[in-house]
Amino acid sequence: EVQLVESGGVLVQPGGSLRLSCAASGFTFSNYWMTWVRQAPGKGLEWVANIMQDGSEKYYVDSVKGRFTISRDNAENSLYLQMNSLRAEDTAVYYCVRPFSGWSWFDYWGQGTLVTVSS
Amino acid sequence: EILLTQSPDFQSVTPKEKVTITCRASQNIGSTLHWYQQKPDQSPKVLVKYASQSISGVPSRFSGSGSGTDFTLTINSLEAEDAAAYYCHQSSSLPITFGQGTRLEIK
Repeated sequence: EVQLVESGGVLVQPGGSLRLSCAASGFTFSNYWMTWVRQAPGKGLEWVANIMQDGSEKYYVDSVKGRFTISRDNAENSLYLQMNSLRAEDTAVYYCVRPFSGWSWFDYWGQGTLVTVSS
Repeated sequence: EILLTQSPDFQSVTPKEKVTITCRASQNIGSTLHWYQQKPDQSPKVLVKYASQSISGVPSRFSGSGSGTDFTLTINSLEAEDAAAYYCHQSSSLPITFGQGTRLEIK
């Protein structure tokens, strides 16, 4: 059974940093692109970042470029999102998501982890 | 960036009714359009891939159609458990984008 379990979401002050983790199991992690998607409270879904199987290609939504870094550890079956210079508008539930292939449709989603940026 | 515009934003419907949600893309995306359902306090779940392809385990009352810029999600014979938000998503080009969502309320 495919499982994606996020962790690391907390309350952080504006300008602060945070690292989210996603533990993957039930599939060969190193064979898949991986994605972070976020959802602000009461709002819609927003794609944040993608990373290729070997980590050699990474893509970001403009609003997080230069502040967030997606990475992965295939030996540990883990996906990460390093978030720096956090802003109030980064407050959201962050989902770890597996695309079926490349950056196609999303077949598995984690339960999400809540990041709150507030003073 | 490809903008996806869904309509309506909200709809209140009765059980057994047929529901149609539309998603319009700002440019031609072929069939690279997918639909998701998100129930309150749950993660999204895929309903339809590539505009019209069914997903194993998804009830047959959910179907999709369209190509290019205009797409439709149809729910035949709505059930109470279909109360949720529905989102379209394009994977044609980066940045990946989602529609703003359609919330269905069951009367």
